[in-house]
Amino acid sequence: DIQMTQSPSSVSASVGDRVTITCRASQDINGHLAWYQHKPGKAPKLLIYGSSRLQSGVPSRFSGSASGTDFTLTISNLQPEDFATYYCQQAYNSPDTFGGGTKVEIK
Amino acid sequence: EVQLVESGGGLVQPGGSLRVSCAVSGFTLRSHWISWVRQAPGKGLEWVAHISPDGSWEDYVDSVKGRFTVSRDNAKNSLSLQMHSLRVEDTAVYYCARTAPTNRGLDYWGQGVLVTVSS
Repeated sequence: DIQMTQSPSSVSASVGDRVTITCRASQDINGHLAWYQHKPGKAPKLLIYGSSRLQSGVPSRFSGSASGTDFTLTISNLQPEDFATYYCQQAYNSPDTFGGGTKVEIK
Repeated sequence: EVQLVESGGGLVQPGGSLRVSCAVSGFTLRSHWISWVRQAPGKGLEWVAHISPDGSWEDYVDSVKGRFTVSRDNAKNSLSLQMHSLRVEDTAVYYCARTAPTNRGLDYWGQGVLVTVSS
C-alpha cells in the first residue's frame, strides 16, 4: 500500500499569513493527489485534484504543486474561514490512502 | 443538485452487524465510482472501500477486509456498506463520497453517519 506522510500535524497562523502543508508519497503516484478541507461536523471539501488543479468554486488563494513524490498545498492570505484540518489523498493505487492531516489553528 | 445522504448508523455491540446506506440524487450514479471514508473520534480521515460504477470491482482497506462489503443498486440510486464482526475500533463517522470523472478526487460527500461499537 502507498503511504502518505503529511506534515506538519498542526500549524498556528494568523489571518493574512501564508501556510504551506506538505505530503510525501512512499512511491510514485503519477500526480494523482487531492487535497481536502475538513471542518468539525461537516463533510470534507475537495480543494485540489491532480496535484495542482483547483476544484470549481474554490478560492484562488489555495494552490497545489508537485515535485516527484512530494506535494504541497499552499494557502495564501489565510482567511478566517480557512481554519480547519487539511488532508491529502492519493488515488493512484487502491487503497486510496489519506495523509494524517494538518490542523490549521488560529495563532 | 448533487446529494448523497447516509442513513442506518447507530449503536451496536462488538461482534455485531450493521448496514449503512447511501441514497444519491442529482447525478447518474452508474457513471461514478463511490468511496466510503470514515473518521474515528479524534482521528483523521481513513479510506475504507470503493466500488466501480457497474459494481463489478471493489476494494477495501486491510482492517475491514472479510468483514465489510460494499454494494450498489444503480437503478435505485443507492449504495450500502454492510459491516459484520464489528470492533470497538470501527466506531466512526462514515461518509459516502462520489469520485469525479477521470479520477479527479472525491467531489461530493454525504453528511456522514455515526456508527458506535460498544458494549
